[in-house]
Amino acid sequence: DGGITQSPKYLFRKEGQNVTLSCEQNLNHDAMYWYRQDPGQGLRLIYYSQIVNDFQKGDIAEGYSVSREKKESFPLTVTSAQKNPTAFYLCASSPTNRNQPQHFGDGTRLSIL
Amino acid sequence: GQNIDQPTEMTATEGAIVQINCTYQTSGFNGLFWYQQHAGEAPTFLSYNVLDGLEEKGRFSSFLSRSKGYSYLLLKELQMKDSASYLCAFRDSGAGSYQLTFGKGTKLSVIP
Repeated sequence: DGGITQSPKYLFRKEGQNVTLSCEQNLNHDAMYWYRQDPGQGLRLIYYSQIVNDFQKGDIAEGYSVSREKKESFPLTVTSAQKNPTAFYLCASSPTNRNQPQHFGDGTRLSIL
Repeated sequence: GQNIDQPTEMTATEGAIVQINCTYQTSGFNGLFWYQQHAGEAPTFLSYNVLDGLEEKGRFSSFLSRSKGYSYLLLKELQMKDSASYLCAFRDSGAGSYQLTFGKGTKLSVIP
């Protein structure tokens, strides 16, 4: 079945440590996105990519980095510069056709130790 | 600027009908989406409107008025499993833009 796989489901980070969240899709979608969701908040866009080897900052990119070396993969690194990384992280993908919805992975919950 | 607003919480009775409203402001509009999100899970796509009017999908309908910057999601014959957050999101019409701007979500509680 086609879909988006995020791993791990739960992740713990020590102070000063970088961690990388995985996102893989087999939907053949060109566009991929990373969102952060905090309690009582909507989804806020961190980074997005509309094509391989190209990505753009979203509304809250500070303290995060991404790469898009393959169409299927869009990993997100939460760096030590992100001072409040505890959140639910969602990866999504979509075709580059504006009437098509974004499809989401099951999310990764990141916590600080 | 861009803005999107929806009620924080709603409560409705099993078997009833509930309407969740969403208002938005953007300089260029290119579609409005509704998603359902159960606690701790991924959002799942419910509906899409780009033209004015009502789109019906089984127990769920969504309405759009572009001139008023207004949409609603209508849920009929409510079931306990409909207890979830409902997110509205718009896409603007910027060149090459596929991004969505999400509201904070409306948490719906269905009670017996």
